[in-house]
Amino acid sequence: KAGVTQTPRYLIKTRGQQVTLSCSPISGHRSVSWYQQTPGQGLQFLFEYFSETQRNKGNFPGRFSGRQFSNSRSEMNVSTLELGDSALYLCASSLVGPREKLFFGSGTQLSVL
Amino acid sequence: GNSVTQMEGPVTLSEEAFLTINCTYTATGYPSLFWYVQYPGEGLQLLLKATKADDKGSNKGFEATYRKETTSFHLEKGSVQVSDSAVYFCALSETGKLIFGQGTTLQVKP
Repeated sequence: KAGVTQTPRYLIKTRGQQVTLSCSPISGHRSVSWYQQTPGQGLQFLFEYFSETQRNKGNFPGRFSGRQFSNSRSEMNVSTLELGDSALYLCASSLVGPREKLFFGSGTQLSVL
Repeated sequence: GNSVTQMEGPVTLSEEAFLTINCTYTATGYPSLFWYVQYPGEGLQLLLKATKADDKGSNKGFEATYRKETTSFHLEKGSVQVSDSAVYFCALSETGKLIFGQGTTLQVKP
């Protein structure tokens, strides 16, 4: 069974640009969550989608958005990038939600210059 | 709000030493508790979990017991190996998300 796949693996952008990250969950998983990982703040929850609906959202500005498609694949978008957005963005999938085992992808390392 | 506090790292041990990584939490209700591990260049993997008080989670020689009276979920292993070198995260479940501790880096030397 294929694991959670995130693309691209690395991304370099400049301030003010926007970026889209992609996540393909494990087949059959309907819940997809996104986390931001930084050395200073650790792992912080961005949002969770289930069956194309955003069920939960973390405390991030509106520049951070996401969506989920009918095949459960998910994308997150960050507009008007800031230097502080540099981070490892992790996607995780599960059958029904975060109380169950989460399967994480290897992440997308975003660098904002 | 809910939170998780882990002991500061890094923790450096010799192979076959005993490991304890402390984790305490603050939560309303009865969250599930987790330990996740992150190896270099990879995402997180679930190591073990416990869903109610006095439950013991165990996997690959690691153990942790859900202690409601002390609000703790300390990770232990009797004999660590070099391959256990990684970052360990304690986490609790809140509605729709996990709340993670800051992570503890473990380095095991031969």
